[in-house]
Amino acid sequence: GAGVSQTPSNKVTEKGKYVELRCDPISGHTALYWYRQSLGQGPEFLIYFQGTGAADDSGLPNDRFFAVRPEGSVSTLKIQRTERGDSAVYLCASSQAGTGAYEQYFGPGTRLTVT
Amino acid sequence: DAKTTQPPSMDCAEGRAANLPCNHSTISGNEYVYWYRQIHSQGPQYIIHGLKNNETNEMASLIITEDRKSSTLILPHATLRDTAVYYCIVRVVYGNKLVFGAGTILRVKS
Repeated sequence: GAGVSQTPSNKVTEKGKYVELRCDPISGHTALYWYRQSLGQGPEFLIYFQGTGAADDSGLPNDRFFAVRPEGSVSTLKIQRTERGDSAVYLCASSQAGTGAYEQYFGPGTRLTVT
Repeated sequence: DAKTTQPPSMDCAEGRAANLPCNHSTISGNEYVYWYRQIHSQGPQYIIHGLKNNETNEMASLIITEDRKSSTLILPHATLRDTAVYYCIVRVVYGNKLVFGAGTILRVKS
């Protein structure tokens, strides 16, 4: 079946601009996660949704970052007033449920470059 | 979540078994051991997980020591396509996020 998809695959933006990154999870998966990966490092957790609500947003670095999942399926990560330090690959993952031993399935990521 | 320690890199000959170690000496009783890998320019891929018993699936085997303080991921017949960063992660049963370390870069060589 279809896996997790993310759009766009690449995004180049100027410092100070607003960007939106989209994630389409696997159909039927109630849990959705956003991670950020800087060059040479492992992915870093940002936020976790169970259904429509953000169950854990402890990884969001500051209030410029915001994510929504209004219908419990597609999610959008929004970054305001982008900074060069926001450049990274943004990964989305989904799983059947948020807790328990369910594995997370990752998308290919969106590479964000802030110039 | 407990911290894990992995060697930064390993080499393996094509066709041979790749044995990737992971130390998780502070693991608690309600924490699973997960392994993911990340091939260049792709998202991480789930491999296997276990709680206390050894596990095997079509991709790999996971050997967890009796005291659960360390584990080994075994790729029985490594191929060039297994070249990737391998992450060992410890996660509580009721947890949600995965906490990734730096992982082990496995290079499979012909």
